[in-house]
Amino acid sequence: QSALTQPASVSGSPGQSIAISCTGTSSDVGAYKYVSWYQQHPGKAPKLLIYEVSNRPSGVSTRFSGSRSGNTASLTISGLQAEDEADYHCSSYATSGSYVFGTGTKVTVL
Amino acid sequence: HVQLQESGPGLVKPSQTLSLTCTVSGDFTGTTSYYWSWIRQPAGKGLEWIGHIYNSGSANYNPSLKSRVSMSVDTSKKQFSLKMRSVTAADTAVYYCVRGSNWGSVDYWGQGTLVTVAA
Repeated sequence: QSALTQPASVSGSPGQSIAISCTGTSSDVGAYKYVSWYQQHPGKAPKLLIYEVSNRPSGVSTRFSGSRSGNTASLTISGLQAEDEADYHCSSYATSGSYVFGTGTKVTVL
Repeated sequence: HVQLQESGPGLVKPSQTLSLTCTVSGDFTGTTSYYWSWIRQPAGKGLEWIGHIYNSGSANYNPSLKSRVSMSVDTSKKQFSLKMRSVTAADTAVYYCVRGSNWGSVDYWGQGTLVTVAA
């Protein structure tokens, strides 16, 4: 199974909105609603932001939202803040009964 | 609330077997909605799912690693383990033990442990 494709980096100014894409195939992202997004600060373990494409766990800011169109899922961060500077990873359940992660995206707040 | 802690050697020689154990504090027996998993991350790179195991012992592995990986669970000790055979430098990474759910998300992560494969 191949890793899901994410842009290596995305940047934006404070207050702006940015979107991170996560492109898979009809055997993973396009086939199941089990797409998740994680935020990872340097030296820390990832933190769950979104599950089942667009659901936020309790305690996660409403500035984070998820969506999907075909084989591509997206994470949107609105009202960008300095603390949002981190790496972001998507993941999806796959037909083989396994899970696959994305290549990861570094978000820079200008 | 669940806490996970990885333990095991930080240095493994090439061709040998990497062995890690994860000790869980809090709810371990849980429900069939959750599983225990290992995820790794080479320095500066993305995450890679290694596999997961249910309390029943039923496991699924990453197809690309399946021939070298095995997992086990000991509910009495609230632990689960990873063994990876015939390691090479490409297996050098931070290894995380985590709790995952049947809806595809990981809600609890260990702090991660760096395993280096070198002679």
